[in-house]
Amino acid sequence: GAGVSQSPRYKVAKRGQDVALRCDPISGHVSLFWYQQALGQGPEFLTYFQNEAQLDKSGLPSDRFFAERPEGSVSTLKIQRTQQEDSAVYLCASSASIQGPGELFFGEGSRLTVL
Amino acid sequence: AQSVTQPDIHITVSEGASLELRCNYSYGATPYLFWYVQSPGQGLQLLLKYFSGDTLVQGIKGFEAEFKRSQSSFNLRKPSVHWSDAAEYFCAVGDSGGGADGLTFGKGTHLIIQP
Repeated sequence: GAGVSQSPRYKVAKRGQDVALRCDPISGHVSLFWYQQALGQGPEFLTYFQNEAQLDKSGLPSDRFFAERPEGSVSTLKIQRTQQEDSAVYLCASSASIQGPGELFFGEGSRLTVL
Repeated sequence: AQSVTQPDIHITVSEGASLELRCNYSYGATPYLFWYVQSPGQGLQLLLKYFSGDTLVQGIKGFEAEFKRSQSSFNLRKPSVHWSDAAEYFCAVGDSGGGADGLTFGKGTHLIIQP
């Protein structure tokens, strides 16, 4: 597609439910990032993929968070047993660069509200 | 660890007036520096970036930024703002040491334009 596409745009979950957020990056982009943006804050790094390999998951806040990119294209961020503190906008970004932080192209985000 | 400070949470500017948004970074080597803009409900759009070379960088929408190593700053400027510039602005720093690392973002500056 022309840009990074994320779905759903909005998700409301009851505490304890599992959620899955999808990211479709720009075609051909090797690098894919997930960020978490809490209300009134800047985006915070969660995890990074180079093709299908998850090279950095140091930003994932707990073992309830899991991300995958099995075919090196679409990625899914899964949150198990959601908690209220998981409420945030989850941003996906892709880049053609694999050496140094090239320009990141961001999707519009998935806003998760946990009740 | 790298970090970014945006000292101003909110800035109000009259339409047509000049603008300067401050950004200070902490990083051990030569950083890669970015400014992104985020309109409500939208993803982040890259305004400009600095990797090396000329310390005055031109971006889109009439924005520019100047890298000052001695002050660890990368302030964003625009000579005359338009009402459409009202948005959230984020400064970010990346690792120049190689490898597609994620960016570290500041908390953002909310720009309000007065008529």
